[in-house]
Amino acid sequence: DGGITQSPKYLFRKEGQNVTLSCEQNLNHDAMYWYRQDPGQGLRLIYYSQIVNDFQKGDIAEGYSVSREKKESFPLTVTSAQKNPTAFYLCASSTYIKETQYFGPGTRLLVL
Amino acid sequence: SQQGEEDPQALSIQEGENATMNCSYKTSINNLQWYRQNSGRGLVHLILIRSNEREKHSGRLRVTLDTSKKSSSLLITASRAADTASYFCATVNNSGAGSYQLTFGKGTKLSVIP
Repeated sequence: DGGITQSPKYLFRKEGQNVTLSCEQNLNHDAMYWYRQDPGQGLRLIYYSQIVNDFQKGDIAEGYSVSREKKESFPLTVTSAQKNPTAFYLCASSTYIKETQYFGPGTRLLVL
Repeated sequence: SQQGEEDPQALSIQEGENATMNCSYKTSINNLQWYRQNSGRGLVHLILIRSNEREKHSGRLRVTLDTSKKSSSLLITASRAADTASYFCATVNNSGAGSYQLTFGKGTKLSVIP
């Protein structure tokens, strides 16, 4: 089955800890994205990548970091610098920028 | 920045009725997309309409785009309980800063009562 997967479904972060959210796609898409969704809100773009080994900041990149070493994978690290990390994180991919995006099921991050 | 603004914020209808959601935006767009999100899940793409198109259909969905008014509408005909979800419009700017990204509104929460 082709698709986009995220893990884990739930993630708990302790104070001062960095945590990494996984995103994998087997759709052969060039572009990948990370969004944050807060309750009752739309999605806000954290980072995006148009091609392997390249990524760009979105609207709310502070406190987050990404890597794109493989076409299939785009992990997101929530660093200790992100003071309000509790949110629903969504990963997406598309054939290229501006086109239809396909979303994963999301990871809910909670702070202990 | 959130360019798309959906209206209404919440909508409750009876099964079988039609549901109309509206989206307004501020700047020139390349395309506009509608997505659905069931509670606690990822988004599912519904329709993409380009700036040179005025109307598109997909099954029970009809999307219109009026670039002169910078607005779009999503019509769901003969609604079903399974249509209960949040619906988001998202725009891709035509040029300039941010022309790479999809900008989402806050969504319309649709409840279809059986």
